[in-house]
Amino acid sequence: EIVLTQSPGTLSLSPGERATLSCRASQSVSSSYLAWCQQKPGQAPRLLIYGASTRATGIPDRFSGSGSGTDFTLTISRLEPEDFAVYYCQQYGSSLTFGQGTRLEIK
Amino acid sequence: QVQLQESGPGLVKPSETLSLTCAVSGYSISNGYYWGWIRQPPGKGLEWIGSIYHSGSTYYNPSLKSRVTISVDTSKNQFSLKLSSVTAADTAVYYCARQGLMWGQGTLVTVSS
Repeated sequence: EIVLTQSPGTLSLSPGERATLSCRASQSVSSSYLAWCQQKPGQAPRLLIYGASTRATGIPDRFSGSGSGTDFTLTISRLEPEDFAVYYCQQYGSSLTFGQGTRLEIK
Repeated sequence: QVQLQESGPGLVKPSETLSLTCAVSGYSISNGYYWGWIRQPPGKGLEWIGSIYHSGSTYYNPSLKSRVTISVDTSKNQFSLKLSSVTAADTAVYYCARQGLMWGQGTLVTVSS
């Protein structure tokens, strides 16, 4: 079973700053099956990135994903007020595995 | 536009069976993808429950496998979750999703007498 570990647990930044979120897998994950989603309070998760680096439909280009093997990164180039939320990385396929989440909060 | 919508009782008694259905519109389940259930206890993270392929092949989280059954009805374009012998620890928002990438809005299920 693949375990996904996200860091940091909480990230405190200001609007306009750059956010870098990390996701490390306990064993190699096919890049084709690594995704990032965003969740705001009371809402369902929203897909941001799939295939490690492909933005989902309608996702602004300030969101980018990178990485391969066991190390993956979600970068938000310039934070907007609506970006403060919880972010999850996930491995998907016939089974799903989620990281524990990174809370991005306003500093 | 593909949409997923969960439905089912919002309150289940301890020891009983939780039953939910996910209706899919805008895409035929028979065309492929894995269709799954994920839950999120209040204030906690996401937990995969299990998935089903359109052919009927199922995949379950080992920690829940003994209590979970997922089935698909391609004629109604929907799939279902049954979780038996529930306890308060099963209280959560339950989401259905396509391949874990496209999600329903979720439904809160509370286990309480």
